[in-house]
Amino acid sequence: DQQVKQNSPSLSVQEGRISILNCDYTNSMFDYFLWYKKYPAEGPTFLISISSIKDKNEDGRFTVFLNKSAKHLSLHIVPSQPGDSAVYFCAASEYAGGSQGNLIFGKGTKLSVKP
Amino acid sequence: DTGVSQDPRHKITKRGQNVTFRCDPISEHNRLYWYRQTLGQGPEFLTYFQNEAQLEKSRLLSDRFSAERPKGSFSTLEIQRTEQGDSAMYLCASSYRSNEKLFFGSGTQLSVL
Repeated sequence: DQQVKQNSPSLSVQEGRISILNCDYTNSMFDYFLWYKKYPAEGPTFLISISSIKDKNEDGRFTVFLNKSAKHLSLHIVPSQPGDSAVYFCAASEYAGGSQGNLIFGKGTKLSVKP
Repeated sequence: DTGVSQDPRHKITKRGQNVTFRCDPISEHNRLYWYRQTLGQGPEFLTYFQNEAQLEKSRLLSDRFSAERPKGSFSTLEIQRTEQGDSAMYLCASSYRSNEKLFFGSGTQLSVL
């Protein structure tokens, strides 16, 4: 039973346009959400996070939106660059429940940004 | 500070052999995590240490797996009697506090023949 779902295995975007990656979750107790980027043969690299008390967090070209009622979050990358091409993982945790950092990851979305 | 370091990067072994991986976390981080990632999946939690204490284990961690962090610094993950299903990327991560992001190493890619 997948608690974090990324339903799009891949996404292709033109350089300079917006990339929107989506993530759905089922556990209403999740209170902390993160996005990681992963290049081949490397470990995941942290991109941006959001607490459940917020609905938006922005860091440069990256913005994460959280819709708690829909149990949905999205990552927006504007403008997209070829170097953004990677696999993006959505992750969630239940810190208030004492999970101690046990992150539940989605299966990832492979983003390709074409020049 | 060079980040989380894992060794080896790649390990090829025959079924039935034992393997051991090492992880050196970021020096000031007292929390250390092991994850496993198979093809087409996201990382899956295996176990977690706070200092030298192993506080949480996943049901994925069968009795053939053992992890240690003897002095609260580096950690080892041992797999005994490896099976082909153990083939995966084994990722180590560390953090300073429980509500902070995890920093991952580059992983150890295990292939069991």
